[in-house]
Amino acid sequence: EVQLVESGGGLVQPGGSLRLACVASGFTVSSNYMTWVRQAPGKGLEWVSVIYAGGSAFYADSVKGRFTISRDRSKNTLYLQMNNLRPEDTALYYCARGPRGPTPVFFDYWGQGTLVTVSS
Amino acid sequence: EVVLTQSPGTLSLSPGERATLFCRASQSLSSSSLAWYQQKHGQAPRLLIYGASSRATGIPDRFSGSGSGTDFTLTITRLEPEDFAVYYCQQYGSSPPRYTFGQGTKLDIK
Repeated sequence: EVQLVESGGGLVQPGGSLRLACVASGFTVSSNYMTWVRQAPGKGLEWVSVIYAGGSAFYADSVKGRFTISRDRSKNTLYLQMNNLRPEDTALYYCARGPRGPTPVFFDYWGQGTLVTVSS
Repeated sequence: EVVLTQSPGTLSLSPGERATLFCRASQSLSSSSLAWYQQKHGQAPRLLIYGASSRATGIPDRFSGSGSGTDFTLTITRLEPEDFAVYYCQQYGSSPPRYTFGQGTKLDIK
C-alpha cells in the first residue's frame, strides 16, 4: 500500500529555514516523480516543486532560489529544504507522488500534509 | 504561463442531482495534461480524473471528465452526500515543467 507521511513543519521566523520530510512506503521515491504542493489557510492548491525519476528538479517562480527539493533513496524519503522563509510561505505542505510513466502529468497519492507557519 | 479558471466558484445542489463543473484554460491544452482532484474538508486532495477523461483507480463511475482545447468539464451524476467538497482542475506544462491548479469549485449541499 502506498503511503506518504510528511513531517518537519512548525513555526519559524521570517528569514528562517525549515526542512520538510516525506517518508514513502509501498514504492520507491527515486522510481517515480515526486512533488510538493502547498495550501495557504483557506486558499487553493499551489504547486511548489517537482523532482523527476532521473533527478531533474523544477520550482515555482515564487520559491525558486530559496527552496530545494531532494530525495534519499536509502531512507525512501523526499525532502524540501526551505530557506529565507517569508510570511507568504505559510501553508500546509503536501508531498505527492506521480505514477511511473513517460509523462509526469498528475499526482495519484498524497500525504496528509505538514503545517509551516512563518511569523515573528 | 497557463491560467486555469474554474466556474462556478460555488455550486449548491441537493443529493441525487447532477453537478457540472467547468475548467477553462487560458490557452489550448493537450487533453492528456488535464486532471481533476477532490478535496474534502481537512483532508488531502484525491485524484479523480486524469487525461481529461480517465477515472483514477477506485473512483465511482458517477464521476466523469470531458473536454478538449481550452474547455474541460467534470460531471458528477446523482450526487452522494460524500461528494460535497472542493474540486480542483490541474494542468501540466513543459518547457520548463510546471503544474497549475485552478482556484477550485466548492460543491455545497443545498
